[in-house]
Amino acid sequence: GAGVSQSPSNKVTEKGKDVELRCDPISGHTALYWYRQSLGQGLEFLIYFQGNSAPDKSGLPSDRFSAERTGGSVSTLTIQRTQQEDSAVYLCASSSGTGVYEQYFGPGTRLTVT
Amino acid sequence: AQKITQTQPGMFVQEKEAVTLDCTYDTSDQSYGLFWYKQPSSGEMIFLIYQGSYDEQNATEGRYSLNFQKARKSANLVISASQLGDSAMYFCAMREIVRTGANSKLTFGKGITLSVRP
Repeated sequence: GAGVSQSPSNKVTEKGKDVELRCDPISGHTALYWYRQSLGQGLEFLIYFQGNSAPDKSGLPSDRFSAERTGGSVSTLTIQRTQQEDSAVYLCASSSGTGVYEQYFGPGTRLTVT
Repeated sequence: AQKITQTQPGMFVQEKEAVTLDCTYDTSDQSYGLFWYKQPSSGEMIFLIYQGSYDEQNATEGRYSLNFQKARKSANLVISASQLGDSAMYFCAMREIVRTGANSKLTFGKGITLSVRP
């Protein structure tokens, strides 16, 4: 079946502009995650949605970052007033149900803030 | 808080030989899961193998096996019969397993670069 998809694959924006990154999880997966990977670094957790529960926003680095998930499926990560340090690859992952299921990752969105 | 440590510099292995990638972790959770992911130059994260903290046997998946030593808090990945396509970045990760069964975030190490030589 189809995997996790993300759009756009690349985004170049000017400092101070807002950007929206989109994630389509695998159909039926109830858990959705956003991570950020800076150059040469591991993945940094940003936010996690599980079903209808309140999201875990503990990883969001500042109030310029927000995310929503509509209808329990598609998610949008919004970064307001982008800064150069926001430049990174933003990865979305989804997993099914509960338990110890592995997370399936999308191809990522490479964000460059100039 | 959870912490994953991957301190090896870039690793090199000859094709067809085995290689071990080190991972140590720290957590106060009683129940947790350990994962290894592969990230080729194309950028996608590929799940390789999973080990639960209460699993008595080491996990194996084809050419991948996980050398889990709970007392030492290590979860090393062993790749047997290396192939050129194994050249990639490898990440160790962990997550808490909660009684409710709800998923939780993964905590990642900084990764190890593996290069397979022909």
